[in-house]
Amino acid sequence: SYELTQPPSVSVSPGQTATIICSGDKLGDKYVFWYQQKPGQSPVLVIHQDKKRPSGIPERFSGSNSGNTATLTISGTQAMDEADYYCQAWDTRTVVFGGGTKLTVL
Amino acid sequence: QVQLVQSGSELKEPGASVKVSCKASGYTFTDYAMNWVRQAPGQGPEWMGWINTKTGNPTYVQGFTGRFVFSLDTSVSTAYLQISSLKAEDTAVYYCARDATQQPYYFDYWGQGTLVTVSS
Repeated sequence: SYELTQPPSVSVSPGQTATIICSGDKLGDKYVFWYQQKPGQSPVLVIHQDKKRPSGIPERFSGSNSGNTATLTISGTQAMDEADYYCQAWDTRTVVFGGGTKLTVL
Repeated sequence: QVQLVQSGSELKEPGASVKVSCKASGYTFTDYAMNWVRQAPGQGPEWMGWINTKTGNPTYVQGFTGRFVFSLDTSVSTAYLQISSLKAEDTAVYYCARDATQQPYYFDYWGQGTLVTVSS
């Protein structure tokens, strides 16, 4: 079965750029989606189809996908961005989630 | 606006059954597939499968067959998840999540989650 791998944790200082990666075999051939989940809350879609932002998601969130790696970038990271982030892809009729990355804003 | 409102937390004994509801509003219920996602304590989301809201046909992911049943009542725009013969390892938050299309693809709206606790 297809697997998506994420680093367990990433730390960033306020105002700096946070980069969260998601790896999978030939991931660049698939669309990748990113969700933000804050403690006690439901996941929220922040990026779809590699790089598109849903309505209401701040411009500081961006995405890219190439080769075996997709990247979620948060520019000018704010304290409110501290959360778990999950990548997701679709492979052979199956929705697959990455294990998640905890973003800490120090 | 699109809303998915789930039923409240449940505490069940092992062997019992539970039925979680997910009431949709703000869109045409049958235009989008509905997915179910489990999130065990401290873990990431796990896709359980989906139900075609036009036909009522459910599809279950391996590991969620047998004891898990997806159903609909389109007259009240509500999807249901029933779990029978509950085990301690079923303790988790269960989410309904609207798909952005009529097939499983990605999830643009999520319910608030229903915590199911299985304990004697």
